[in-house]
Amino acid sequence: SQTIHQWPATLVQPVGSPLSLECTVEGTSNPNLYWYRQAAGRGLQLLFYSVGIGQISSEVPQNLSASRPQDRQFILSSKKLLLSDSGFYLCAWRTGTSGLYEQYFGPGTRLTVT
Amino acid sequence: TQLLEQSPQFLSIQEGENLTVYCNSSSVFSSLQWYRQEPGEGPVLLVTVVTGGEVKKLKRLTFQFGDARKDSSLHITAAQPGDTGLYLCAGAGSGNTPLVFGKGTRLSVIA
Repeated sequence: SQTIHQWPATLVQPVGSPLSLECTVEGTSNPNLYWYRQAAGRGLQLLFYSVGIGQISSEVPQNLSASRPQDRQFILSSKKLLLSDSGFYLCAWRTGTSGLYEQYFGPGTRLTVT
Repeated sequence: TQLLEQSPQFLSIQEGENLTVYCNSSSVFSSLQWYRQEPGEGPVLLVTVVTGGEVKKLKRLTFQFGDARKDSSLHITAAQPGDTGLYLCAGAGSGNTPLVFGKGTRLSVIA
């Protein structure tokens, strides 16, 4: 069966520090991968998605970036964090093939920028 | 731009009551997903509906996809405190287009 991992689970970082959040998926190949941010327990904001290694689509211009160095690895980064980067970050995956669209989420990373 | 409107935004009910959450759009979706999210956790996929008019049941939860595939509803019968959480609907377009999410309905079931 497929599983998705995110780490760390929680992170407290000062303003101006770098960020690296990692997401890995097991049990599937060539998944579509997604990074979302959720504020205040409400809706999800899509940040980046990737349909293959090295292919990144950005949905929201900001000081965050994403990379996909391996098929089942997705990394969210920042060179200098802002206070507004605080939030709950979620990684998700779905099969890249056509057909029934089922997307699954990881456990999330709670980021607090101080 | 495709949008999904969820209503109500907040719902607080007593244990044993019934409720319905709505998800509406002016756009047609190839499928629609419902998720439940608990505080501090990732959303969990509850169901995917694909065919217009489709009805799926998951214990006390009934999901319906509109005939025109533009809207969906989630009905919970005899709500329990364990149903408390944020319910999100999400619509799928074609190909690799990312899901369009509603803003969610926060349900609180009081014992």
